[in-house]
Parts: sequence; structure tokens; C-alpha cells
Amino acid sequence: NAGVTQTPKFQVLKTGQSMTLQCAQDMNHNSMYWYRQDPGMGLRLIYYSASEGTTDKGEVPNGYNVSRLNKREFSLRLESAAPSQTSVYFCATEILGGGTPQETQYFGPGTRLLVL
Amino acid sequence: AQKITQTQPGMFVQEKEAVTLDCTYDTSDQSYGLFWYKQPSSGEMIFLIYQGSYDEQNATEGRYSLNFQKARKSANLVISASQLGDSAMYFCAMRFSGSARQLTFGSGTQLTVLP
Repeated sequence: NAGVTQTPKFQVLKTGQSMTLQCAQDMNHNSMYWYRQDPGMGLRLIYYSASEGTTDKGEVPNGYNVSRLNKREFSLRLESAAPSQTSVYFCATEILGGGTPQETQYFGPGTRLLVL
Repeated sequence: AQKITQTQPGMFVQEKEAVTLDCTYDTSDQSYGLFWYKQPSSGEMIFLIYQGSYDEQNATEGRYSLNFQKARKSANLVISASQLGDSAMYFCAMRFSGSARQLTFGSGTQLTVLP
């Protein structure tokens, strides 16, 4: 099993370009999350999907859109990239998706994005 | 507001010695979860250990243990018998019952294990 996979691993964009980050999981987990990690900081939640067909905003949603394509896949789209979106993006999943404090989240390997 | 504080930006430890990484938190919630993640230089986030706020025993996972002091609102990670492969960034994170969807992260501690 691959666990949580993310594509691409690295991307360079010019300001104003668009792109979609892909996340897929083969663990049959219900909930999926997108975080960003900026230098010297922990991760901050962008969007999440509690279950297939639902999405909700996290702490820093501006400039992003998401799609929960099916139970396995959760994509993050930047419609018009800005230098402030230069970051490392992580996808995460959790088993039950109840959002309780006890649930552990499991992370993908990350996508490094540079916006010039 | 919920907040996680890791006061040690960098730590050094000799191989085979134990090391404690500090984490304090601020919340008025009674139900919450505490997590530690390891991020090696390759960049992935690896789950290490979990402690629930109602757990009476400190969590342990192999060489990792969590020194949970609820009254002091601290959840320090103890790594015993450090290995060179333990060199990484370590993040303390929490989930609070009020905003349980989100993992709130500290700023991390960079641990370097010396041979």
C-alpha cells in the first residue's frame, strides 16, 4: 500500500499561473486535509473534506479551491498563484472522519511549490 | 485562543543519551488530543505518539514516551537512547474539541544527534 501520495513533488510557477495539487490515499480513510507549511512554522490547515462530497474551509483558505473527487482523491487548486503561496503543501487523512480530538492524521510526502 | 508553544528552536544530544523536547499548550477545553510528529530532512511528516487529555497513563511507543503533566499544560516528548537517525525537526500538535478538525502545530524543535 502506498498510503498517502501527492503529485507533483516539486513545482515552479509564475505569478498568475494556475495549477492543481493532487492527493490520493489507499487507506480507505474518510477525511482528507490540505495543510501548508511555511519556513520556521508548523502546518496550517487550508481546507478539509470530512467525507466524500463535502468540503470546508480551514484557517487559511484564501486563494485556494478544493475538490473531493471521490473517497480516494482530494485536490487543491491555485487559480492565480501569488508569491505568498510559496510553501510546502501537505495532504493528510484520518480514519473515521469524526473530527474528534482523539483521531490521528497521517500525512503525505508533501509538494514543494515555488511561485516567482 | 488555543496555542502550542515549543520553546527550544534547536537541541543537541549525544548518541545513546536521552533527550526531552518541550511542549506547552494553552486551552480551556477539557477534551483534547496531543500528538508528536517527526519531520526528517526529506520533508515527510511522521506520526510518533498520541496522548489523550483523559488518559491517566503517559503514552509510550518504543523509544518515545510522552511526559504529560495536565495541571502544568505540558506534553514533553522523551526520546531514549538517541540514534543518528533521530536527527530531525519535531512538532508538537494538538486537536481541541472546539475546533477538532484542525491540528494546531507548534513551531518545532530541530534535534541534532551527535556521534
